[in-house]
Amino acid sequence: DTGVSQDPRHKITKRGQNVTFRCDPISEHNRLYWYRQTLGQGPEFLTYFQNEAQLEKSRLLSDRFSAERPKGSFSTLEIQRTEQGDSAMYLCASSPGGKQFFGPGTRLTVL
Amino acid sequence: QQQVKQSPQSLIVQKGGISIINCAYENTAFDYFPWYQQFPGKGPALLIAIRPDVSEKKEGRFTISFNKSAKQFSLHIMDSQPGDSATYFCAAVFIAGGTSYGKLTFGQGTILTVHP
Repeated sequence: DTGVSQDPRHKITKRGQNVTFRCDPISEHNRLYWYRQTLGQGPEFLTYFQNEAQLEKSRLLSDRFSAERPKGSFSTLEIQRTEQGDSAMYLCASSPGGKQFFGPGTRLTVL
Repeated sequence: QQQVKQSPQSLIVQKGGISIINCAYENTAFDYFPWYQQFPGKGPALLIAIRPDVSEKKEGRFTISFNKSAKQFSLHIMDSQPGDSATYFCAAVFIAGGTSYGKLTFGQGTILTVHP
């Protein structure tokens, strides 16, 4: 499968714990995006990488959130001290410029 | 700030019918308007997209109609099939430059159900 992959697909955690998600983009796509989708809503932009540089962060991305893309390949999104309001689907998308291709997402449930 | 408004929230059509979903945007800087289809437990998949310099684009059973002056665009699904049952999202993006970096602004989504 040469599409965007995300791991894990599901994560259940207790409030206050830290979680980390991984995204593997389509090979050679230099652009990588993270979005968050809550139930019944469209995805909302969180952050954007061009190669290894994080060029934009949404106001939705509080200080508890951090994202990296070392070497411009895979990306990780970490949430520290999770809160119940963080429960959502976290989507990763990659692009060569123009069309964005989404992964299957990571469903986070914070108890 | 809701920059793309989508309606209806849900839509039920019979097999063979026409499904119509509407979107309106506010930011005139948007220059690319894609539609995504999402099945439960899956990520959104690009269905069809249009640029504002054309009024209509058709790909198979899917057609986008675009009204630049009204800042509205719509998706028409002809001969709707049960397999089309999914959530549909319109989106808008500014890809021509500046600092938007191609981030998508999505509508709220429309749950389409096609009855056999």
